[in-house]
Amino acid sequence: DTAVSQTPKYLVTQMGNDKSIKCEQNLGHDTMYWYKQDSKKFLKIMFSYNNKELIINETVPNRFSPKSPDKAHLNLHINSLELGDSAVYFCASSSAYEQYFGPGTRLTVT
Amino acid sequence: AQSVTQLDSHVSVSEGTPVLLRCNYSSSYSPSLFWYVQHPNKGLQLLLKYTSAATLVKGINGFEAEFKKSETSFHLTKPSAHMSDAAEYFCVVGVGGDSWGKLQFGAGTQVVVTP
Repeated sequence: DTAVSQTPKYLVTQMGNDKSIKCEQNLGHDTMYWYKQDSKKFLKIMFSYNNKELIINETVPNRFSPKSPDKAHLNLHINSLELGDSAVYFCASSSAYEQYFGPGTRLTVT
Repeated sequence: AQSVTQLDSHVSVSEGTPVLLRCNYSSSYSPSLFWYVQHPNKGLQLLLKYTSAATLVKGINGFEAEFKKSETSFHLTKPSAHMSDAAEYFCVVGVGGDSWGKLQFGAGTQVVVTP
């Protein structure tokens, strides 16, 4: 049973395209996150939702738009993809003291 | 502001020898601190956490870390390295003191284990 799942695992696309990454958690958590890991392995939070409400929105280009249809799902839509968007994107969900991470989506923009 | 500094970007150890990964933190109040591990092409797994209880924290796979307020450190240790310990390790501070808030990640330490 996968606790936090993401689709797709790999995504290769061209500059200018629009793409979405989906995340689902079956842990019953209220809070979910998107993180970006760059080529140097540095991890930075992008967004956080608590019970479908946006609570953390870091300095992220507005081409990135998270959407939470229910508290078990947090999707990330990216418009007009740029080369610099190439990274691994991790979804996570949390209980009171721990964050559980998904396996990541490796996005490559060509 | 909260932050963590991992003092070594790369650590190489021989199998069976001790592992020490160093982390210093900066926090304006009592922090929540974590160590996560990321194996190649995998997601992140929580090794252990400190949330103002016991200062010596035991985690999974034989790892432990000691919270030292006087030194603002939270170093990760393991008495005997195993080949499967080769991975990237992240020291993390919880911003706001709760893990459901924002996590601030260190830059990571890559651990290489040689036979």
